[in-house]
Amino acid sequence: AQSVTQLGSHVSVSEGALVLLRCNYSSSVPPYLFWYVQYPNQGLQLLLKYTSAATLVKGINGFEAEFKKSETSFHLTKPSAHMSDAAEYFCAVSRSRDDKIIFGKGTRLHILP
Amino acid sequence: DARVTQTPRHKVTEMGQEVTMRCQPILGHNTVFWYRQTMMQGLELLAYFRNRAPLDDSGMPKDRFSAEMPDATLATLKIQPSEPRDSAVYFCASGSEGRPGAFFGQGTRLTVV
Repeated sequence: AQSVTQLGSHVSVSEGALVLLRCNYSSSVPPYLFWYVQYPNQGLQLLLKYTSAATLVKGINGFEAEFKKSETSFHLTKPSAHMSDAAEYFCAVSRSRDDKIIFGKGTRLHILP
Repeated sequence: DARVTQTPRHKVTEMGQEVTMRCQPILGHNTVFWYRQTMMQGLELLAYFRNRAPLDDSGMPKDRFSAEMPDATLATLKIQPSEPRDSAVYFCASGSEGRPGAFFGQGTRLTVV
């Protein structure tokens, strides 16, 4: 069965600092991995996805994530945090292109002025 | 601008009443997911459909919940009878076969009193 674990339910970074949100996955087959963002009272928006084409994936809003099979990780990063990045971020996994998507518990990102 | 449309956005109902939530997937998408989001459990997959056929509804309480796709443009989630513990935000998402990732609606916030 597929699952993801997000380390840290809350992360605080200063504006302009590096953002690092951690995600580790468990999968019996090569996974498809996703990062979604949720702003208050909104649905989830796809930030980026890993589909085995490249290990470093670039997404919207300056975010990127690197797939590391040896570490079973798919951490999300952004070089410089902006106040508008404050939101909840979800890592997710699927075992195929169109199979069910299983979400982690989420990490709430706080940006300090 | 293609989007998943959910109605109603908010619903307050009394315990024991029937609740119906509706979802219009993005035109051309043939995969539909229903998720429930709560503070305690996070995002739980209730059911998902492909080409209107249910593929997995193992996350759904069978005694009171039912999900259907009467046609390709409408998915419904019903709760009968509703209970206070059903209070949550229910999200519908749609995807396209062979393309990883799903697009989420704005959600239906259900409160059962």
